[in-house]
Amino acid sequence: EVQLVESGGGLVHPGGSLRLSCAASGFIVSNNYMSWVRQAPGKGLQWVSVLFNGGITHYADSVKGRFTISRDNSKNTLYLQMNSLRVEDTAVYYCARELPIGDFDIWGQGTIVTVSS
Amino acid sequence: SSELTQDPAVSVALGQTVRITCQGDSLRTYYASWYQQKPGQAPVLVIYGKNNRPSGIPDRFSGSSSGNTASLTITGAQAEDEADYYCNSRDSSANHRVFGGGTKLTVL
Repeated sequence: EVQLVESGGGLVHPGGSLRLSCAASGFIVSNNYMSWVRQAPGKGLQWVSVLFNGGITHYADSVKGRFTISRDNSKNTLYLQMNSLRVEDTAVYYCARELPIGDFDIWGQGTIVTVSS
Repeated sequence: SSELTQDPAVSVALGQTVRITCQGDSLRTYYASWYQQKPGQAPVLVIYGKNNRPSGIPDRFSGSSSGNTASLTITGAQAEDEADYYCNSRDSSANHRVFGGGTKLTVL
């Protein structure tokens, strides 16, 4: 079965760090474009970052310089390292696989990140 | 512009047809994809590309595009279609992805 399972969310103080994981099964992460998408409480979806199969990365302006997307091919897992966290980073974070034309066909169940003092 | 604009809320009578729209300059170049999200659940892809449905998505869902506007049409809306719907595309650089603000669909 093709699926994604996120983990690593939690409560962190402003300025703190957190690393999210997204374990894939049923397909190979490194052969696909993979993204992180977040959703603040009661708000809409916001794209965060993408990792192309060739290794190139891109970030939303709101997280550039603070977040890093990466993968471990041996574990078939995608990561999001989040540093210098802000209250406005509070959200459910989803990982998602992209089809070749840029559509998100597989989503994880999400992991909750709360940034609060 | 990298923004996608959706109406915040739309309603439809049970069994009738509803169209949800998404506007943005990038839609002149790229197709939109559409996602259905029910409370407490992850989004689900319902339409992608020119007008493609993933396996398991009912054929009452269809997509179209004209100029800077993409549309999701539900023909014969069912109670289970009540959800938030988001459009998605790329920005002008093709590297960043962007979502519309979402449309809350109520089935009356």
